[in-house]
Amino acid sequence: EDQVTQSPEALRLQEGESSSLNCSYTVSGLRGLFWYRQDPGKGPEFLFTLYSAGEEKEKERLKATLTKKESFLHITAPKPEDSATYLCAVVQGAQKLVFGQGTRLTINP
Amino acid sequence: SAVISQKPSRDICQRGTSLTIQCQVDSQVTMMFWYRQQPGQSLTLIATANQGSEATYESGFVIDKFPISRPNLTFSTLTVSNMSPEDSSIYLCSVEGGGGNVEQFFGPGTRLTVL
Repeated sequence: EDQVTQSPEALRLQEGESSSLNCSYTVSGLRGLFWYRQDPGKGPEFLFTLYSAGEEKEKERLKATLTKKESFLHITAPKPEDSATYLCAVVQGAQKLVFGQGTRLTINP
Repeated sequence: SAVISQKPSRDICQRGTSLTIQCQVDSQVTMMFWYRQQPGQSLTLIATANQGSEATYESGFVIDKFPISRPNLTFSTLTVSNMSPEDSSIYLCSVEGGGGNVEQFFGPGTRLTVL
C-alpha cells in the first residue's frame, strides 16, 4: 500500500537558519508528489507538484526536490511567517491524495 | 486556481444530530473530494463526488454516515449524520486543478465540535 512518511514531526529554527524537511514515499507508479502549507485553522495551501526524479521547483525561500524514494523541502533563511505545518502527499489511483503526518515548523525571531 | 468556499466555517453540535457542510467552487469541476482531518492528524479522504453519479467512498467511510450530494459542477454537500464526539474534526473539500493537472486545491475547512 502507498505510504508517505514525513520527518521530523516538529522543527524549531531561528530566523535565518536554513534547514530541510523530508518526505519518504512508497508508491507504485508515481503520478505526482505535492507539498502543501497549512496554517492553524485553515485549509492546506498548494505549494508544489513534482512529477519525476531530479525535478526541482522553487518559490521564494522554498525549494522542493524529488528522488525516486523521497522529496525534500529546503527552506533558506526562513522568516517567522514561514511558520506552519508542511504536508507532503502522493497521488494514489485516479486522484486520491495520500498525506504524510506533516512537519510542524516554527521559526523564532 | 479555483476559489473554494465552505459553509459553515465552524459549528458546535450535540451528540446524535446531523450537520450538512456546503462546498462552493467558482468554476465548473468534474471531481470534488471530501477529506477529514482529526485533531493533530493529517488529512484522510472520505469520498470522491462526481456530478451525476453516486459518490465513491473510501474504506472505513459509509454513505449512511456521510451522505454526499453533487447536484451540479460547482457545488457539493457532505452530511455528518448521527454525530458523536469522535466526529469532531475539520472537514475539507477539494477540487482537482484541471487541465490535466493532478494537484488539488482545498477549501478553508469546517471545524466541527461534537459535545
